[in-house]
Amino acid sequence: DTGVSQDPRHKITKRGQNVTFRCDPISEHNRLYWYRQTLGQGPEFLTYFQNEAQLEKSRLLSDRFSAERPKGSFSTLEIQRTEQGDSAMYLCASNGRLGQETQYFGPGTRLLVL
Amino acid sequence: DQQVKQNSPSLSVQEGRISILNCDYTNSMFDYFLWYKKYPAEGPTFLISISSIKDKNEDGRFTVFLNKSAKHLSLHIVPSQPGDSAVYFCAAEGGSEKLVFGKGMKLTVNP
Repeated sequence: DTGVSQDPRHKITKRGQNVTFRCDPISEHNRLYWYRQTLGQGPEFLTYFQNEAQLEKSRLLSDRFSAERPKGSFSTLEIQRTEQGDSAMYLCASNGRLGQETQYFGPGTRLLVL
Repeated sequence: DQQVKQNSPSLSVQEGRISILNCDYTNSMFDYFLWYKKYPAEGPTFLISISSIKDKNEDGRFTVFLNKSAKHLSLHIVPSQPGDSAVYFCAAEGGSEKLVFGKGMKLTVNP
């Protein structure tokens, strides 16, 4: 069983550009989460999907951010008009069953906005 | 408002000795607690968890203790090994699906 995968692992972009990240959860995991981690901080929750439904969004998720999980499998996180403050590690996690609280994380996408 | 606190930013121990990592929380709704280990440029790796109905959970060299009245948990690693050197995050869940993380603590195990 493969773990959570994320692509790309690194992204450098100029301020104002749009970026999109992809996450493939562990097979058959129906819940998928996005977190953001900045230097010296723990991961902070952004949003969560159960199957294709986006059930919760953090206040951190401004209107420049959008996440989708169209078929209940992989997910994408898009940031429009990137700002330098968006520079962070973007982490994806998944878990499989209601009542199973352990979330398994992918390797992350490191974003640098110049 | 930091709901999960890891007040010590770092810890250094000798190989073979015990490492004790502490975590405090403020939200009474939290009912499930986890420890993750993280290497630079990688995602967090799950280590061990504990439900609020228990006060201890053990998995090999790792033991987590939960004191609900004090809103405190700790991770014990015995014996510590150089490969344990990493940043450790305490996380909590309850009332919603999201995990709330502490800021992490860097553990260094010296050979």
